[in-house]
Amino acid sequence: EVQLVQSGAEVKKPGESLKISCKDFGHTFTSFWIGWVRQTPGKGLEWMGIIYPGDSETTYSPSFQGQVTISADKSINTAYLQWRSLKASDTAIYYCARVRSSSEDAFDIWGQGTKVTVSS
Amino acid sequence: DIQMTQSPSSVSASVGDRVTITCRASQGIGSWLAWYQQQPGKAPKLLIYAASSLQSGVPSRFSGSGSGTDFTLSISSLQPEDFATYYCQQTDSFPLTFGGGTRVEIK
Repeated sequence: EVQLVQSGAEVKKPGESLKISCKDFGHTFTSFWIGWVRQTPGKGLEWMGIIYPGDSETTYSPSFQGQVTISADKSINTAYLQWRSLKASDTAIYYCARVRSSSEDAFDIWGQGTKVTVSS
Repeated sequence: DIQMTQSPSSVSASVGDRVTITCRASQGIGSWLAWYQQQPGKAPKLLIYAASSLQSGVPSRFSGSGSGTDFTLSISSLQPEDFATYYCQQTDSFPLTFGGGTRVEIK
């Protein structure tokens, strides 16, 4: 059974860096795209970007390009979402999710979410 | 970016009612639309993909229809576990975008 397990909640200060993770326990990691979604009360669900762990090909939403880095380590079946310098506006719940197939981009498997709080 | 507009933003209904939620895209997206259900404190769950295909394990009381710019999610007979927030998502072109959500509440 495919299962995505995310790292725990984080509390950070503005300007700090952060890397959160998403581990695939389903042995399909290099065969499917993995995406990241941000959820906030104000903007709802936002698609941030996706990565193909097999070759680390990545596509970002223009809204998040340059603001975050999506990466993956296929040797440990783990995807990452990284910030160099956090802002208060990065406060949100972040979900990783698996893209359903190569021909259809809905997310069929989701992680449990990582709550990130950025506050001075 | 393609804008997705859901209506209504919330609906009150009773167990056994039929509920219909609408999603409109700002431009044509063919049948590239997904629907998700989100319970409070949980991750979204895929219900429908490609506008009308039921995801494995999802009860048949859920159905989707539409193409182009106008889409519908229907719940034929609302069950207690269906009270949640529903989101549409266009999967036609990057960046993929979500609707603002429709909250289904108990009347």
